[in-house]
Amino acid sequence: KQEVTQIPAALSVPEGENLVLNCSFTDSAIYNLQWFRQDPGKGLTSLLLIQSSQREQTSGRLNASLDKSSGRSTLYIAASQPGDSATYLCAVHILTGGGNKLTFGTGTQLKVEL
Amino acid sequence: NAGVTQTPKFQVLKTGQSMTLQCAQDMNHEYMSWYRQDPGMGLRLIHYSVGAGITDQGEVPNGYNVSRSTTEDFPLRLLSAAPSQTSVYFCASGTGAFNEQFFGPGTRLTVL
Repeated sequence: KQEVTQIPAALSVPEGENLVLNCSFTDSAIYNLQWFRQDPGKGLTSLLLIQSSQREQTSGRLNASLDKSSGRSTLYIAASQPGDSATYLCAVHILTGGGNKLTFGTGTQLKVEL
Repeated sequence: NAGVTQTPKFQVLKTGQSMTLQCAQDMNHEYMSWYRQDPGMGLRLIHYSVGAGITDQGEVPNGYNVSRSTTEDFPLRLLSAAPSQTSVYFCASGTGAFNEQFFGPGTRLTVL
């Protein structure tokens, strides 16, 4: 069974700092990996999708990398801002007996302080 | 584009009542799915659909029914609500099962 772990569970940093969020998964047979952010009481906003054949994807201040063989992905946030405060979720797309699905980690709660 | 919309935003039910959570998308996505999010358990797949007229069960389908009569709509029905179904429900859509998934704002359901 695929398991997705995100470390740390919570992180507090001062504004302007560069930071890295980690995601690991137990089964390397994934189709792709997607990073989301979730604001309190809100839905999930897609940030980046990395295809299984790719090593990284960039969008603005965000850069996500993928190492399938080691079962790891990182989300790098440059020059963090208070507006980046949210919970960040990674999810892997897998094919299972229960259908094609996203398996989610439990998230990293980020707080960027002034 | 409105993206993925869900109604209602909040709902309180009594045990045994039935209701339908609505989900609609205006992006012409073939793939749609329902997840529930519970503290400490993350998001879990309930049902999914790869196109109009085709649905299948996900990880936690018991107590829920779905149908897909149009590309745009994918309602989730609770047949006889139970306190264990208290959760936040999210609908998602994408051009395919393994493509980027877009989520709705969620429905927060409480079953008393």
